[in-house]
Order: sequence, then structure tokens, then C-alpha cells
Amino acid sequence: GEDVEQSLFLSVREGDSSVINCTYTDSSSTYLYWYKQEPGAGLQLLTYIFSNMDMKQDQRLTVLLNKKDKHLSLRIADTQTGDSAIYFCAESIKDYKLSFGAGTTVTVRA
Amino acid sequence: DTAVSQTPKYLVTQMGNDKSIKCEQNLGHDTMYWYKQDSKKFLKIMFSYNNKELIINETVPNRFSPKSPDKAHLNLHINSLELGDSAVYFCASRRTGVPEKLFFGSGTQLSVL
Repeated sequence: GEDVEQSLFLSVREGDSSVINCTYTDSSSTYLYWYKQEPGAGLQLLTYIFSNMDMKQDQRLTVLLNKKDKHLSLRIADTQTGDSAIYFCAESIKDYKLSFGAGTTVTVRA
Repeated sequence: DTAVSQTPKYLVTQMGNDKSIKCEQNLGHDTMYWYKQDSKKFLKIMFSYNNKELIINETVPNRFSPKSPDKAHLNLHINSLELGDSAVYFCASRRTGVPEKLFFGSGTQLSVL
């Protein structure tokens, strides 16, 4: 949506790191999220970060948050073919409501 | 057991018809949603119900009418279907509170001919 922006495509070689970037607009967002959508499936929550944190690490995933610039990134270490999917950034803009970006399609090549 | 299930998975219909999509969740969540995903993968919220009460009603044509008979179900009825309604419709649910962890169904691909 217009509140959350992401680049549309990322191509990465297997074994390299992937970095997906996102900018958001609502500085009052309490949490920011990364969702993954595999072909023909619904979105699945990958990870999230509380707005007073700068970084969160979860196995191969690292989330970085720059609150001043309203910039969120997701780094996937040692990218595998199973990581090929669409990744959505989302912010909570008011009660019960998440606003999603347009998604970044990640293609992992051998 | 599927957590959020929606039926049908595919729906192909003619312009002008009326159709329904059903959604059920067995997670005990109290908030449910309908999202529309267009051909460019842009995901937009349409409606949300909390404990059977409508709490989010985005700017969608009034041909779209959600109905929540109980906390575990949220159905979407669409009257007088138009070509522009073709999209993938996702149902989702969550427990009230933060963080807002949504659980999505696998989607209903609607094609209006």
C-alpha cells in the first residue's frame, strides 16, 4: 500500500545473503512485521520487531529497524531455494489493522 | 488440521452473478479479516470482525457484504460480480492483542469472465 514501500524484485545466488528493504510511514507503529508468501499459499508470519528495538535475530533471519528513517530490513543468511517467495513488510497502523507493502519477490538461483 | 480454511479455492464465474466465499478458523481467535490481493500482489484490507462485530470496513463497493455468524466464521458475499473483482481473496484471523500475528488461509482465486 501507499503507507509501506518495498522494492519489487530481488535475485540472489544460493548460499549468499538476501537483504530486503522496506520504508513505512506511521511512526506510531508498535510492531513491524515480515510475512512470507509461497506460491499458491497464504501469507505466513516470519518474524516481527518491537518498535523500541534496533535489531532482532532469529536463526538465519536478522531484522534491522531504523526508526528515525522509518526503514526496516530483513536479512536472510545462507539463502536457500526454499526461501524463494514473496516477502511482505507490514506495519500496524491502528487497532486491528495491518498495512502491507506490495511485496518483494525473491528468486534464488543455483 | 488446517488453522484457517476457506472455500472454494478456485471460483470461476460470469459477470453479474452472485457468489460467496466461506472462511472458518479453529484457532479460537476473536478477530477475522478479509483481504484482497490483486494481480500485482498488492494486499488490501477489506473488512474485519471482532467477536462477530464489524470493526473495519474499508472503501469497498457495497456489492461486497461480509457476514460473521459466530467468532469462528467469516463469509464474504459478492453481488453482481464485475471483471475488476477478479483477484485472490484471503481470509485471516488473530487473537486480540499485540503483536498482531495474522494467520492466513490459502486464498480463493476468483476469476470473473
